[in-house]
Amino acid sequence: ETGVTQTPRHLVMGMTNKKSLKCEQHLGHNAMYWYKQSAKKPLELMFVYNFKEQTENNSVPSRFSPECPNSSHLFLHLHTLQPEDSALYLCASSQDQNGGGTDTQYFGPGTRLTVL
Amino acid sequence: AQSVTQLDSHVSVSEGTPVLLRCNYSSSYSPSLFWYVQHPNKGLQLLLKYTSAATLVKGINGFEAEFKKSETSFHLTKPSAHMSDAAEYFCVVSDRRFMRFGAGTRLTVKP
Repeated sequence: ETGVTQTPRHLVMGMTNKKSLKCEQHLGHNAMYWYKQSAKKPLELMFVYNFKEQTENNSVPSRFSPECPNSSHLFLHLHTLQPEDSALYLCASSQDQNGGGTDTQYFGPGTRLTVL
Repeated sequence: AQSVTQLDSHVSVSEGTPVLLRCNYSSSYSPSLFWYVQHPNKGLQLLLKYTSAATLVKGINGFEAEFKKSETSFHLTKPSAHMSDAAEYFCVVSDRRFMRFGAGTRLTVKP
């Protein structure tokens, strides 16, 4: 798990709070991803950054705001969330988003978010 | 469009017996296919991947998967289950830019 790290590992927040999730990859990759994992549902891709540019926003509500200051760091800023946003948020990285589909994605351990 | 279906949401085996986790896919291209494992409170770990080389792919921890184009399947197997194999397993098909995840199969291993 040292390849991709995420902080915090657990977060409890109220609907009016503002918080941020952080992801850092130590693999020299150029693409980074945010996924949402809810109970009983497949992993949902939220955002993709390739060479620091956002290349995909998978119809994610604006209360989730990503930021990618460089290829090693990815943030997810949260504000005015809803209880249904409670989930495990996973960060991943790969060499390049356009790696012909063969690029393996490496995942962090996730942040368990609970919205009260 | 790419999609993947994991045929069993839950599989239960006894320790020392074979494991079979089933996955079917659909793809417009020659696909790349992956199996990931997720242990409780952990991120996803790559078990193995198929990228149009050998159809029988060997992964970590004794797992392997066979790509069968005629059946559009990529089932995951292990000859002998260990207690530490208890986890959630995800079959994934790549459409060259994005990964499409299956809903997952929870593997329970009984002593």
